[in-house]
This record gives sequence, structure tokens and C-alpha cells, in this order.
Amino acid sequence: QKEVEQNSGPLSVPEGAIASLNCTYSDRGSQSFFWYRQYSGKSPELIMFIYSNGDKEDGRFTAQLNKASQYVSLLIRDSQPSDSATYLCAVYTGRRALTFGSGTRLQVQP
Amino acid sequence: ETGVTQTPRHLVMGMTNKKSLKCEQHLGHNAMYWYKQSAKKPLELMFVYNFKEQTENNSVPSRFSPECPNSSHLFLHLHTLQPEDSALYLCASSRYGTSGGETYEQYFGPGTRLTVT
Repeated sequence: QKEVEQNSGPLSVPEGAIASLNCTYSDRGSQSFFWYRQYSGKSPELIMFIYSNGDKEDGRFTAQLNKASQYVSLLIRDSQPSDSATYLCAVYTGRRALTFGSGTRLQVQP
Repeated sequence: ETGVTQTPRHLVMGMTNKKSLKCEQHLGHNAMYWYKQSAKKPLELMFVYNFKEQTENNSVPSRFSPECPNSSHLFLHLHTLQPEDSALYLCASSRYGTSGGETYEQYFGPGTRLTVT
């Protein structure tokens, strides 16, 4: 079992819709959770982090964490074509570095 | 733009060359990382430096040699590479502490696109 799992996609949504990206993790001791956006050929950019159960909102982005289910998600409201990218979920488990998932590719259709 | 810079942005080298990648962070962080990202593959952690000390080496071949002279600078020295080493090499930094106030989010530099011919 991979430590951090994401559906590779592509997830295709129409412009203006809500995109829902999901991530599961295996280590119950995981403490912190991060979402990165990576455009093709570019480096990952941190867009959200969440430490506690529940929802955290920042503009059009909402991160949701459920530690009991070992599940973290990212919702993107009013999706725009510029949101088309690969979204990486990362988890801090108490070791020295983050553990990354392989990413979900999001396509927003105009 | 993040506070992590990398040079060069693109590098083409032959298998017998020796070159170095440079990373500098301006965020006051004390942990730095090297990652490799090959086409259609997830990020692979290579090395971790915490307070200038190497704390992790993920079974990376010896043809990759890291150096961290201080908490703001990180180098990756390359020699006798193979074509399969062609990839995007990413540097990242974070604040790692033992007395509270630590944050674990990592910030990435723009990367060096390496091609080995």
C-alpha cells in the first residue's frame, strides 16, 4: 500500500463547476497535510495546508481533513481553465520530509 | 516567485562531465531538500539537510553528491551521470524546529531541467 494515494486522473470538470480532489494516507500518526499545484514543466506550488479535522477555506479553495478516515480532500469552487494542473497531496508523518502522492491531473474545460 | 532560487534552470551534460546544481533559500528556513522528478513519475526525495546536517539519503547513487555549507545554500554535485538521470531536479526548504513554532510546509524552487546525453 502506498503511503499517500491519489487518483491519477485526469479529472475533467466544466468551467464554473466544483472540482473535488481526494487523497488517502496510511500512517495514522500523520500530523499535517498539504496541497500543492504543479503546472506542466513547473515546480510544485503550495496552495493549502491543514492540521486539524474539519474544513479550512482560502478563497476558492477548501481543504477538508478527516483523520478517522485518513482522508484529505481539496475542493476548488468556480473552477477556471487556469486551474488545470496536477495537484499533489503531501503528508507530514513526523519523519524529516513530506511524503507526496503521485498527483491528480485536473482539466477544466472552458 | 518563492524565496527559493535554483541555478542553472537548464543543463545539458555528457556522461563524463562534472557539474553542480545550486540552490539558495531566502526564507530563514533551516531544512533543505533535493527531489528528483522524472517524466510521468512522482517526486522522489533524494537528500534532506537539517541545520546543515544530512539527515536522510534515500539510497541515491554516489554519482550524486550533496553539499550544504550553511542553512541557506545547498548544492548537488553531479558526475558520470547516466541518461536515465535526466529529470527535473527540485530544491525545497522548510522550517524545522525542536522548540515549537516549526512549520513543515515545504517551498520549492523553480527546478533545474537536466538532460544527460
